[in-house]
Amino acid sequence: DQQVKQNSPSLSVQEGRISILNCDYTNSMFDYFLWYKKYPAEGPTFLISISSIKDKNEDGRFTVFLNKSAKHLSLHIVPSQPGDSAVYFCAARSSGTYKYIFGTGTRLKVLA
Amino acid sequence: NAGVTQTPKFRVLKTGQSMTLLCAQDMNHEYMYWYRQDPGMGLRLIHYSVGEGTTAKGEVPDGYNVSRLKKQNFLLGLESAAPSQTSVYFCASSYKGIPLGSGANVLTFGAGSRLTVL
Repeated sequence: DQQVKQNSPSLSVQEGRISILNCDYTNSMFDYFLWYKKYPAEGPTFLISISSIKDKNEDGRFTVFLNKSAKHLSLHIVPSQPGDSAVYFCAARSSGTYKYIFGTGTRLKVLA
Repeated sequence: NAGVTQTPKFRVLKTGQSMTLLCAQDMNHEYMYWYRQDPGMGLRLIHYSVGEGTTAKGEVPDGYNVSRLKKQNFLLGLESAAPSQTSVYFCASSYKGIPLGSGANVLTFGAGSRLTVL
């Protein structure tokens, strides 16, 4: 049972435009959400996170939105750059636990 | 500051052989994790540890054992490797406790260990 789902395996966006990556979850006990970026042959690196007490967090070109009623979060990248081409994973942690559950990932390709 | 170091980076095994993957972190993190990454499956948690001498099962623990004898090290063992365990394995570590607020990183990952079981 996949508790964290990224339904779009891939996404292509023109350089300079907005990239929107989506993530859905099923566990209402999740209280902390993270986005990681992964380049080939490297480990995932932290991008941005959000606590369940907030609905938006922004860091430079990256903004994460959380809609708790819909159990949905999204990552917006504006403007998109070719260096953003990577696989993006969303992850979530259930309140009171130490386990971080990841989605299946979305491969973003930013076209120059 | 090396962060999280995984050894070996690559390994080829025959079915039935055993091996151990080593993860070492120098950030004094309390928690450590082993994930595997497979095409279309994302990152799946195998086992994790919340402190020295403690381990717990994740989403896909079958066929693996772990040990955390020292705070800085987390070992992942395959007693009898199977082709289904062909994967890229990632170790991660984190501080203890709840992040103080949005924006805080939680997991620091190693570069990965690619294992092929023939």
